[in-house]
Amino acid sequence: NAGVTQTPKFRVLKTGQSMTLLCAQDMNHEYMYWYRQDPGMGLRLIHYSVGEGTTAKGEVPDGYNVSRLKKQNFLLGLESAAPSQTSVYFCASRKGAYNSPLHFGNGTRLTVT
Amino acid sequence: TQLLEQSPQFLSIQEGENLTVYCNSSSVFSSLQWYRQEPGEGPVLLVTVVTGGEVKKLKRLTFQFGDARKDSSLHITAAQPGDTGLYLCAGPLSGAGSYQLTFGKGTKLSVIP
Repeated sequence: NAGVTQTPKFRVLKTGQSMTLLCAQDMNHEYMYWYRQDPGMGLRLIHYSVGEGTTAKGEVPDGYNVSRLKKQNFLLGLESAAPSQTSVYFCASRKGAYNSPLHFGNGTRLTVT
Repeated sequence: TQLLEQSPQFLSIQEGENLTVYCNSSSVFSSLQWYRQEPGEGPVLLVTVVTGGEVKKLKRLTFQFGDARKDSSLHITAAQPGDTGLYLCAGPLSGAGSYQLTFGKGTKLSVIP
């Protein structure tokens, strides 16, 4: 049982390039989330999804897009990367009940030069 | 605006010492969760507290939810090097339904052997 898997683990982009981060969960969870973690800023929610085919904005959605075409996958896209998007990105999922725990992947470290 | 304020931001102690970290808010939360994050990994849930005044114990870790459900504390007895990590509290945003979890900035704990 792999849990939440994020790919890639590391990536370096030049300003203006685009990329997609993939998150896959094998726990049949309804809810999925993308967070970014920056030093001194904690975890901030970018986008989330409450089910297949649905997405919603979180606290810091600008510059990012997401898609949830399949229940087990949640993609995070950067159309035109900026240095301010240098961060560690975490995907998480949970079953759906409001007290259910978040299960996190091990993160993608993205550097934009 | 950070809804959940954690203190201290950093804590370095000797093995065997006791410590308490805090998670405070001006808002009432229906529940709070505590996570621990180790370097290079995603956060992992330690506990969920849901009732005002509730105390939960997890081996040497004691979690308390304030009577007014605006604050929580984590007390570690006889800290060990394995307790080293980033401790995060998180709670649901009531205005956004139960879907979104907001995190504090965390307390980075180092336990020196």
